[in-house]
Amino acid sequence: EPEVTQTPSHQVTQMGQEVILRCVPISNHLYFYWYRQILGQKVEFLVSFYNNEISEKSEIFDDQFSVERPDGSNFTLKIRSTKLEDSAMYFCASAGAGNTIYFGEGSWLTVV
Amino acid sequence: GESVGLHLPTLSVQEGDNSIINCAYSNSASDYFIWYKQESGKGPQFIIDIRSNMDKRQGQRVTVLLNKTVKHLSLQIAATQPGDSAVYFCAENYGGSQGNLIFGKGTKLSVKP
Repeated sequence: EPEVTQTPSHQVTQMGQEVILRCVPISNHLYFYWYRQILGQKVEFLVSFYNNEISEKSEIFDDQFSVERPDGSNFTLKIRSTKLEDSAMYFCASAGAGNTIYFGEGSWLTVV
Repeated sequence: GESVGLHLPTLSVQEGDNSIINCAYSNSASDYFIWYKQESGKGPQFIIDIRSNMDKRQGQRVTVLLNKTVKHLSLQIAATQPGDSAVYFCAENYGGSQGNLIFGKGTKLSVKP
């Protein structure tokens, strides 16, 4: 069964450092997303991406965040200067023409 | 004070019994709803979805009921198994870009053998 894959599964980074989280969405999907989940809290929407541009972003997705689809298969989330409060599980998700959204297993980011 | 985490509602059922997990959604304009299952340390796993033009949808061992009058969604799991133990989230989409899902708080389901 096709799945969304994410790397790394866990990253520890120093505050102020840049982080890039990588995702390979399901191959025929057109819509891509990043969500995050702070430990013990709800899953929160960050950004959606379609047709090589951001279609919607939440207030969490400030200027420190950016997304890119550098080639036909990868979808990345960059955090320019990490803060302690960026520590969370980051989920990539993708969807095809229908609405069903499939999530990856997540990248756990710890900022120290 | 700052919240350090959510106190999740919990549901404990005996293996083989039916489970009903409830969710109150926030926006009457929401037109698409999904139930996800999340096991510890893993991503949300799609279970079943329903659009606002329906009030019931069945899958394998699962049924979702939608009551738009009271903005209520429920997930019924038949013959609950230990492998069903997880946190269950409902999510709604109300006209943002496709995929701008608003997740509920979640319910922790524990299945006793």
